[in-house]
Amino acid sequence: LAKTTQPISMDSYEGQEVNITCSHNNIATNDYITWYQQFPSQGPRFIIQGYKTKVTNEVASLFIPADRKSSTLSLPRVSLSDTAVYYCLVGDPYSSASKIIFGSGTRLSIRP
Amino acid sequence: DTEVTQTPKHLVMGMTNKKSLKCEQHMGHRAMYWYKQKAKKPPELMFVYSYEKLSINESVPSRFSPECPNSSLLNLHLHALQPEDSALYLCASSQEGRTGPGTEAFFGQGTRLTVV
Repeated sequence: LAKTTQPISMDSYEGQEVNITCSHNNIATNDYITWYQQFPSQGPRFIIQGYKTKVTNEVASLFIPADRKSSTLSLPRVSLSDTAVYYCLVGDPYSSASKIIFGSGTRLSIRP
Repeated sequence: DTEVTQTPKHLVMGMTNKKSLKCEQHMGHRAMYWYKQKAKKPPELMFVYSYEKLSINESVPSRFSPECPNSSLLNLHLHALQPEDSALYLCASSQEGRTGPGTEAFFGQGTRLTVV
């Protein structure tokens, strides 16, 4: 299981772009990078997944360099409602009897 | 329907009580999970069911007893809990055969459990 390292917390302001970087130096060939978002008193929510280069959806973008040893979650023009904990997970999505384990995550606080 | 429904939303129980948490999904997912989350901590995996069979038990004390009656339902039976077991209990599900860290798992809103 690839170990991930993220900043413990980040602060930003409404309307800014926020980039959260995750380090995963021992990522394996079959591993994907997945990000979850969790609001207080709710379950985590899958927001984006990628293998290489760039992935974009209606919520976020995920940038993955060629060596795949890190990745960056980008949230464009954040609002107060983006205040949440963001978890980076690395692993093989097609693996059975494997585990979805959450690390400490990044606590993002957005201010007016 | 992309929902995982958990009941009850809140539960207060005494240390001698027996209670059950329920989880239901109708997405055809064949993997289901229980997590425990304490305040300001990440969710901790407790159990994984794959095709209605227990595939992972993360050394959880026997006072927590999971049950998967069918592919849509997951229960967590509670007995003789301690105050330190108070937490948010989350249920999740994912597609068949996919329980690895890159899986898209769908989580319920959780049951807020208080043991008094």
